[in-house]
Amino acid sequence: GESVGLHLPTLSVQEGDNSIINCAYSNSASDYFIWYKQESGKGPQFIIDIRSNMDKRQGQRVTVLLNKTVKHLSLQIAATQPGDSAVYFCAENRANQAGTALIFGKGTTLSVSS
Amino acid sequence: NAGVTQTPKFRVLKTGQSMTLLCAQDMNHEYMYWYRQDPGMGLRLIHYSVGEGTTAKGEVPDGYNVSRLKKQNFLLGLESAAPSQTSVYFCASSFGAAGELFFGEGSRLTVL
Repeated sequence: GESVGLHLPTLSVQEGDNSIINCAYSNSASDYFIWYKQESGKGPQFIIDIRSNMDKRQGQRVTVLLNKTVKHLSLQIAATQPGDSAVYFCAENRANQAGTALIFGKGTTLSVSS
Repeated sequence: NAGVTQTPKFRVLKTGQSMTLLCAQDMNHEYMYWYRQDPGMGLRLIHYSVGEGTTAKGEVPDGYNVSRLKKQNFLLGLESAAPSQTSVYFCASSFGAAGELFFGEGSRLTVL
């Protein structure tokens, strides 16, 4: 069946390293993708998004890469900091008969050690 | 500017009881959503609304009902709560179909 998922449930990195969080999606019709960060006890917060007509988008210390050929999305965090420790979710904008809505993957927990 | 506000933040119910979660947004967003979050399951879409007076089913709609009588409010109802509905519920809103979702802080529901 169709799904949005992340390759690894957990990722541990050292402070200052670059982090790469991966996400696979199976709906080739999805045209919009988004990454969220969720800290413990809080609601998800927007990080960065990308539309299907792009293959790369950069923000502050973050880059999202989209490979439509293999249906793969990744989030790169440069110079990872302890404050980046959180659960990261990718989501795709999926259509059904009522409209479209964001469908989330299961999340990757990023742990940053000093 | 409060953003997205959910009430209540915590609730304990007995099996078979009913309750309503209220979501309010002050950003004049057209789209509103209800998700549930369970350990290891990520966020799963329950129902959503693309405008006042409209509702649509998401991934896991069974056991829930919703209403969008006013643009700024989206209500999630449990008519007969079950232990399987123990979860953290998040409301979100967005301006359009493909755009940033703004989330509330969550409502933790426990069904005994």
